[in-house]
Amino acid sequence: SQELEQSPQSLIVQEGKNLTINCTSSKTLYGLYWYKQKYGEGLIFLMMLQKGGEEKSHEKITAKLDEKKQQSSLHITASQPSHAGIYLCGADRSNYQLIWGAGTKLIIKP
Amino acid sequence: GAVVSQHPSRVICKSGTSVKIECRSLDFQATTMFWYRQFPKKSLMLMATSNEGSKATYEQGVEKDKFLINHASLTLSTLTVTSAHPEDSSFYICSADAGAFNYGYTFGSGTRLTVV
Repeated sequence: SQELEQSPQSLIVQEGKNLTINCTSSKTLYGLYWYKQKYGEGLIFLMMLQKGGEEKSHEKITAKLDEKKQQSSLHITASQPSHAGIYLCGADRSNYQLIWGAGTKLIIKP
Repeated sequence: GAVVSQHPSRVICKSGTSVKIECRSLDFQATTMFWYRQFPKKSLMLMATSNEGSKATYEQGVEKDKFLINHASLTLSTLTVTSAHPEDSSFYICSADAGAFNYGYTFGSGTRLTVV
């Protein structure tokens, strides 16, 4: 079973629409990473969040970590075909122990 | 579907010995697999791309002779850490291409290597 619950497992979104992917743990996280993988390529690092309440943005992608540091959300605004891919969250649970979400497959419909 | 099994999940070895990590696609054939390594408090780093039946493509800075990758079949890729040293201690994770039909990649659960 996954220690990090990532939802949804898959998502089909009309181009131009907004979307959110969530990553939840029952325990406090010490660092939360968001990655993206496109077909034919390796993982691409998007963002890392460490502080409760922290929010970071890169172009049209925004990631937040809640105050309790148990949940993170990745929000894409005005989705584009280039956003399609697999989004994966990973986290530090404690000193040097890593856990992973199952990934979210995002498809953008033109 | 599209399950990737990575084994072992944890391994402790002595300095100077070699360790093999396996990545298997259980219900699909994977022509391409990726091997990653994560350093403490840092993001995942792509080490190499493993292609079935051909040599792996290593990222810059990754020692080919130290991290041997073999992808002899469509369902198995192995990463062997040769002559391991404490600085090789890390978390290694593989990802397999589930194909365009399944759209995307599936990740193994990772292997924590500790070299003592």
